[in-house]
Amino acid sequence: SQTIHQWPATLVQPVGSPLSLECTVEGTSNPNLYWYRQAAGRGLQLLFYSVGIGQISSEVPQNLSASRPQDRQFILSSKKLLLSDSGFYLCAWSAHRGRYEQYFGPGTRLTVT
Amino acid sequence: SQQGEEDPQALSIQEGENATMNCSYKTSINNLQWYRQNSGRGLVHLILIRSNEREKHSGRLRVTLDTSKKSSSLLITASRAADTASYFCATVTNTGNQFYFGTGTSLTVIP
Repeated sequence: SQTIHQWPATLVQPVGSPLSLECTVEGTSNPNLYWYRQAAGRGLQLLFYSVGIGQISSEVPQNLSASRPQDRQFILSSKKLLLSDSGFYLCAWSAHRGRYEQYFGPGTRLTVT
Repeated sequence: SQQGEEDPQALSIQEGENATMNCSYKTSINNLQWYRQNSGRGLVHLILIRSNEREKHSGRLRVTLDTSKKSSSLLITASRAADTASYFCATVTNTGNQFYFGTGTSLTVIP
């Protein structure tokens, strides 16, 4: 069966510090991978998606970047965090071609202070 | 923004009652999906309805889709306290692999 891992679960970082969130998927190959951000009490904002290694599409211009160094690994990064980067970050995968349901990781709660 | 909108934003009902929430979206879609999120957790997929379908059932869930009005509804029958969660619709476009989520409905079922 497929599983998706995200870490860390919670993170408190000062403004201006770097960020690296990691997501890995097991039990499937060539998945589509997604990063979302969810502000408190709000819906999900699609940040990045990837249909293959090294292929990243950005939905929203911002202070963040994403990379996919391996088939089942997706990394969200920032060189310098802003207060507005605080939120709940969710990684998800779906079958290739992306017309099926998504499976979400447990999320990372990021607080920028 | 391609994000959809759910309505109502919040819904509080008694256990055993039915809960209905609506979703409106803006673009052409391949399919529409509903997800559930318990507080502080990841989302869980509930049901998918394709653009050429009008109604779909899964257990106590009933989903309808009206592509002419770009809207969908989710009905949860005989609600239980364990149904308390936020519910989101998500649309998947024909042109790519993007999923666009709505703003969510927060459902509280009172025992």
